[in-house]
Amino acid sequence: GAGVSQSPRYKVAKRGQDVALRCDPISGHVSLFWYQQALGQGPEFLTYFQNEAQLDKSGLPSDRFFAERPEGSVSTLKIQRTQQEDSAVYLCASSLRLAAGYEQYFGPGTRLTVT
Amino acid sequence: LAKTTQPISMDSYEGQEVNITCSHNNIATNDYITWYQQFPSQGPRFIIQGYKTKVTNEVASLFIPADRKSSTLSLPRVSLSDTAVYYCLVGAYGQNFVFGPGTRLSVLP
Repeated sequence: GAGVSQSPRYKVAKRGQDVALRCDPISGHVSLFWYQQALGQGPEFLTYFQNEAQLDKSGLPSDRFFAERPEGSVSTLKIQRTQQEDSAVYLCASSLRLAAGYEQYFGPGTRLTVT
Repeated sequence: LAKTTQPISMDSYEGQEVNITCSHNNIATNDYITWYQQFPSQGPRFIIQGYKTKVTNEVASLFIPADRKSSTLSLPRVSLSDTAVYYCLVGAYGQNFVFGPGTRLSVLP
């Protein structure tokens, strides 16, 4: 595809529900990143993958958050038993190589609202 | 990871040159300096990256002094469409991006 796509673009969940957010990276991009962005703040790193391997998940805020990329392309971020503090925009980015030295391409994000 | 400090907000007028300075006193030898731009309801977009001296592309210039403890993003002749949040990031290959709160640039007519 032409860029990183994310779905759904908007998600409203009742507190306690599970949600799954999808990211389709740019074809051929080895690295994939997830960020959480609260209103008025910069994106905060959650986790990243190199191909199917999750190399760093230090940013995941709790064990309710889980990410996977089983075939090294599409990734899913799952949040179990959602809480109001999980309300944020979840951004996915992909990169041809690994992290800082290479340009990251971001998707439009999924805005999650937990009521 | 080196911490960065940049102004919270800036105002400018159409057609002016805008310079946004970022401080990164603890930058490490292997760190690069990268700037991203973010419009509302969109993900950040790469603008420019540099290691030292000056880098220029079709969008912006990046000035980095010899001590590399700061950097300045220069946007020539801004337009209303340049109104956005600009993030300065510092990190090395293999490290993860750390975004601060960024600089909110408002371009006025």
